Amino acid sequence: NAGVTQTPKFQVLKTGQSMTLQCAQDMNHNSMYWYRQDPGMGLRLIYYSASEGTTDKGEVPNGYNVSRLNKREFSLRLESAAPSQTSVYFCASNQGRTGNTIYFGEGSWLTVV
Amino acid sequence: AQSVSQHNHHVILSEAASLELGCNYSYGGTVNLFWYVQYPGQHLQLLLKYFSGDPLVKGIKGFEAEFIKSKFSFNLRKPSVQWSDTAEYFCAVNADNFGNEKLTFGTGTRLTIIP
Repeated sequence: NAGVTQTPKFQVLKTGQSMTLQCAQDMNHNSMYWYRQDPGMGLRLIYYSASEGTTDKGEVPNGYNVSRLNKREFSLRLESAAPSQTSVYFCASNQGRTGNTIYFGEGSWLTVV
Repeated sequence: AQSVSQHNHHVILSEAASLELGCNYSYGGTVNLFWYVQYPGQHLQLLLKYFSGDPLVKGIKGFEAEFIKSKFSFNLRKPSVQWSDTAEYFCAVNADNFGNEKLTFGTGTRLTIIP
């Protein structure tokens, strides 16, 4: 039972390069999320998807795009990476009903130089 | 919009000491409250959550938290900490009761337990 799986775990990018972070969950959850974690700032929501085919902006969406490919998969794309996007990225999912626990992936460490 | 404050950024305790980590939120309506833990190099895991009923919530590994509505607080407690409790602790609040679990996280408290 894998839960939430995200790839890659580590990536170094040059400024201006693009990349996609992949996320998949095997719990049949409706809702999926992308957060970034920065020192002293906790976790901030980038984008979320309440259900297959829908996506919405979170707190810090600028510089990112997302795709809810199907119920299992939710990808995060950086079109033109900037050093300010150096962070740890977490994908998460849950059933989307009030009180339901959110389950997190193991994180992707991204460095933009 | 909802927000969460964790005033203790780094707490250092000796083993067997008692722990209380503060969490305050700002939202006037009904809230769901969570504590997550992140052990070094790992992902976030749920410690406990409150969304109705008994305001004293018990979680895993001997942790508990008390929801005090009048103080907008949800402090995390453990009577006797262990070295293995060294981790970062995040309080989170969700005030969206219409299906979507958009959690707002606090900035986290790093807990270091000295053997």
